[in-house]
Amino acid sequence: DIQMTQSPSSLSASIGDRVTMTCRASQSISTYLNWYQQIPGKAPKVLIYAASTLQSGVPSRFTGSGSGTDFTLTISSLQPEDFATYYCQQSYNTSILSFGPGTKVDMK
Amino acid sequence: QVQLVQSGAEVKKPGASVKISCKASRYSFSSYAIYWVRQAPGKSLEWLGSINADNGKTTYSQNFQGRVSITRDTSASTAYMELSSLRSDDTAVYYCAREDFWSLSYYYLDVWGKGTTVLVSS
Repeated sequence: DIQMTQSPSSLSASIGDRVTMTCRASQSISTYLNWYQQIPGKAPKVLIYAASTLQSGVPSRFTGSGSGTDFTLTISSLQPEDFATYYCQQSYNTSILSFGPGTKVDMK
Repeated sequence: QVQLVQSGAEVKKPGASVKISCKASRYSFSSYAIYWVRQAPGKSLEWLGSINADNGKTTYSQNFQGRVSITRDTSASTAYMELSSLRSDDTAVYYCAREDFWSLSYYYLDVWGKGTTVLVSS
């Protein structure tokens, strides 16, 4: 199975900050990597798929990059609605879906 | 808009089974697979299994093999997930989600239900 890890597990930031978080796969997954945002009490929402393609309707301040085993999600200027937990998910192995443990973004 | 509506919260005793429904609306149900994902309190997301809504073919996580069953009723545009032999650590929010594809090979979960809380307690 492909294991996903994320770092940091949490971070504190202020409105307007540039925020970066990483996701690592236990083996190469090319660009088969998705990012989800989850606000407490809500279902996850896809932000980025195929490592760098922005889902329709998602603000352009979200950027995804990476390939192989290392990936990054960047929020260029943190907004109040961005305080949430972010999960990466590999879609390389279509028979086994796996998520990372998440990065929680809270207010400094 | 496209949505998945899940059945309501459940309280079950250890050893019992739970069956959750996920009704799709405003899209062609048979054109997309449905995934089931759960989230225990304070934990990450965990995949249970999925179903091809067209042909009914299922794929299950080995972690739940033998305990989970996913079915669908195309006439009702509804998918179901049944989990048996419940334990206290099955207490979680259970989500259904629709799989979408890009460029024929990249898939992601683009529409999610609001979740169904299952509490397992004696």
